[in-house]
Amino acid sequence: DTGVSQDPRHKITKRGQNVTFRCDPISEHNRLYWYRQTLGQGPEFLTYFQNEAQLEKSRLLSDRFSAERPKGSFSTLEIQRTEQGDSAMYLCASSQDSYTYEQYFGPGTRLTVT
Amino acid sequence: GQQVMQIPQYQHVQEGEDFTTYCNSSTTLSNIQWYKQRPGGHPVFLIQLVKSGEVKKQKRLTFQFGEAKKNSSLHITATQTTDVGTYFCAGQGSVNYGGSQGNLIFGKGTKLSVKP
Repeated sequence: DTGVSQDPRHKITKRGQNVTFRCDPISEHNRLYWYRQTLGQGPEFLTYFQNEAQLEKSRLLSDRFSAERPKGSFSTLEIQRTEQGDSAMYLCASSQDSYTYEQYFGPGTRLTVT
Repeated sequence: GQQVMQIPQYQHVQEGEDFTTYCNSSTTLSNIQWYKQRPGGHPVFLIQLVKSGEVKKQKRLTFQFGEAKKNSSLHITATQTTDVGTYFCAGQGSVNYGGSQGNLIFGKGTKLSVKP
């Protein structure tokens, strides 16, 4: 399968714990995006990378969220000290090296904070 | 900040009826993309519109981009049960109007259900 993959698909954690998600984009895609989606809403932009550089981050994103793409391939999204409001589907997408190209989404990681 | 609004939020149709969803941006867009998300699935790209007044067709789907590049619509002719899902428009900001090139701003989507 050559699509975008995400791991894990589901994560249940207790409030206050740290969690980390991984995204593997389509291999020839230089751009990688993270979104968060809650029920009844569209995906909400969190951050994006071009190769290993993090070029933009949502102003709404808490300091508890951090993302990396160290070698310009896979990316990780970490949430520290999780809160119940962090419960959501976390989607990763990738695209070719231009903002005009369509984004290919992965299956997402569903996070439940208890 | 930039906002993208979609109406209606829900649409229930009888199979064979037409369906339209509308998308409006608070700012001028450089382009607009449409995605479909099936229940339990992830967004899948349908099409991108770039030019003012552009109209594109994909079989029974017709997409339009407004002259001012602030609104768009998706029209499905003779819906089928396979059309079920949530349709999102996603706008990409224009740097000429203070927008960001880096990310897509999604609307809340229109959830389509089709009764056989």
